[in-house]
Amino acid sequence: EVQLVQSGAEVKKPGESLKISCMGSGYNFTRKWIAWVRQMPGKGLEWMGSIYPGDSETKYNPPFQGQVTISADKSIGAAYLQWSSLKASDTAMYYCARLTTLTTPFDYWGQGTLVIVSS
Amino acid sequence: QSALTQPRSVSGSPGQSVTISCTGTSSDVGGYNYVSWYQQYPGKAPKLMIYDVSKWPSGVPDRFSGSKSGNTASLTISGLQAEDEADYYCCSYAGSYTVVFGGGTKLIVL
Repeated sequence: EVQLVQSGAEVKKPGESLKISCMGSGYNFTRKWIAWVRQMPGKGLEWMGSIYPGDSETKYNPPFQGQVTISADKSIGAAYLQWSSLKASDTAMYYCARLTTLTTPFDYWGQGTLVIVSS
Repeated sequence: QSALTQPRSVSGSPGQSVTISCTGTSSDVGGYNYVSWYQQYPGKAPKLMIYDVSKWPSGVPDRFSGSKSGNTASLTISGLQAEDEADYYCCSYAGSYTVVFGGGTKLIVL
């Protein structure tokens, strides 16, 4: 059974750093892309970027380029989303999702990680 | 890269059919047959309902169907059921290995 399991909710202060994770199982983790999708409170879905764990090739949505870092550790089947300095506007639910190629749909989703940034 | 345009809400009675539109441009919806639709219940992760404009993933009832004409894609739900009340998002490949989502539509089952 394909599963994407994300790390737990986080409460951080502005300026702090954060790295959240997405662990894949039930399939060959290195052969599928993992995307990160943001959903701000009461808002829609936004694609942030995608990574191919096999070689760590990464594609970013331009508004998120430079704001976050997407990485992966194929040895343990994990993908990450990282911030070096959080802002209040980063408060959102973050989902990871699997896709076979960059033109195929997001076929499996993680349960989401809620990030709250507040002073 | 602007979000695709969806109606904020649509409604229908049980047993009826409803259609949700998703309007983009020739650079996304109109340029590729890579439109997908996702269903999201409050507090839950999205679920893939339709892909490649009109294909069904395993397990999705055929009451859900997709189509496209020009720069507008559509999701039609026939035989509406109470459990279909949710938010629906369209998504399209937009070239250069990027994707764009619609703003989402709340389906209300009366």
